[in-house]
Amino acid sequence: GAGVSQSPRYKVAKRGQDVALRCDPISGHVSLFWYQQALGQGPEFLTYFQNEAQLDKSGLPSDRFFAERPEGSVSTLKIQRTQQEDSAVYLCASSLGLSFLNEQFFGPGTRLTVL
Amino acid sequence: TQLLEQSPQFLSIQEGENLTVYCNSSSVFSSLQWYRQEPGEGPVLLVTVVTGGEVKKLKRLTFQFGDARKDSSLHITAAQPGDTGLYLCKVDAGNMLTFGGGTRLMVKP
Repeated sequence: GAGVSQSPRYKVAKRGQDVALRCDPISGHVSLFWYQQALGQGPEFLTYFQNEAQLDKSGLPSDRFFAERPEGSVSTLKIQRTQQEDSAVYLCASSLGLSFLNEQFFGPGTRLTVL
Repeated sequence: TQLLEQSPQFLSIQEGENLTVYCNSSSVFSSLQWYRQEPGEGPVLLVTVVTGGEVKKLKRLTFQFGDARKDSSLHITAAQPGDTGLYLCKVDAGNMLTFGGGTRLMVKP
């Protein structure tokens, strides 16, 4: 695939359920980012990987949120015991280099709805 | 308090009109990027500006970075329905990546 892909595209969860969101970055891209975008808002930074190393997780809202990228490629964002305020679009982006100036290529996002 | 304030939040105009949207902050940034996001898709990079006072043009879009590198504007000439979308500015504030709240633009034919 030429771009960043995310799955599932849509996820409906009952409050309290655990969810796992997957991101397949562009092949060879070193950096991977996760963002949360609430309805009508701009994306908010969650966490950042360089290869398999999670260099910044300061944006994760609580310890219910966990992200991993074990082999430096595919990444998973896991949310435990989902709550209604977790409802949002979760965007993944990848970039070729290490600099924040490098263009970030975004996936289409996963829309999570927590009932 | 938001690090980046974008204005206006919403803008609805007729095809052919000109418009300017703004991204403002009280902080100084080393670089600023503009993205456009369409419904159901992720943001797509339009431009990166790094030098105070810098002006970049992309067809009918003109981007300016403020002299003090605290603010930026995006001007669209002769808007077209294809310009409809959410326009986002983004900065690298040290080790923090921040988007503004966005300007939602609708261009009516």
